[in-house]
Amino acid sequence: GAVVSQHPSRVICKSGTSVKIECRSLDFQATTMFWYRQFPKQSLMLMATSNEGSKATYEQGVEKDKFLINHASLTLSTLTVTSAHPEDSSFYICSAEGGPGELFFGEGSRLTVL
Amino acid sequence: KQEVTQIPAALSVPEGENLVLNCSFTDSAIYNLQWFRQDPGKGLTSLLLIQSSQREQTSGRLNASLDKSSGRSTLYIAASQPGDSATYLCAPRRSNDYKLSFGAGTTVTVRA
Repeated sequence: GAVVSQHPSRVICKSGTSVKIECRSLDFQATTMFWYRQFPKQSLMLMATSNEGSKATYEQGVEKDKFLINHASLTLSTLTVTSAHPEDSSFYICSAEGGPGELFFGEGSRLTVL
Repeated sequence: KQEVTQIPAALSVPEGENLVLNCSFTDSAIYNLQWFRQDPGKGLTSLLLIQSSQREQTSGRLNASLDKSSGRSTLYIAASQPGDSATYLCAPRRSNDYKLSFGAGTTVTVRA
């Protein structure tokens, strides 16, 4: 199947700093990518839809100024958690459509804010 | 809003048993449905994709059925192995906005 790569896999930062997470489609182009958040022992919650060359579409309740999404190329979307606080600590996962209707997911990025 | 329910929440079986994982969803207007596997602390691995027009899909020891009108899908895993231990997630994709909705998953433990 198609490969989606995320980096970093783990990041620890101090409260108030910003953290950038990258999501790359390695062997295909993706005009649309999706960002999810997963709390411990819970399922995935869609945060936003990232569209290449245009603004991201955020789900209700997700702060667009807190979670900045940039999709500057057909193979890269980035999620920046700005002014991170401990409550932003979570597992963030991206996905992209790598085949007709089939979504592939990255390995996830564990963010810990101290 | 699409609500997805997976039953059971957890399952523990001895090696060799067949597994049956159930998924129900409230909005039958789906584009397709995917089953994923998630290992602890890892991302999701796509197992099977069923198009809305299909009734089932098979890959190796895995078989998934779809009854779109009743909002149900079932994942069958034959002759389970310890390596099958993971959380399995059902995710129907809505036909109006192509967004995936996830259930809470079924955590499977296969005992050697």
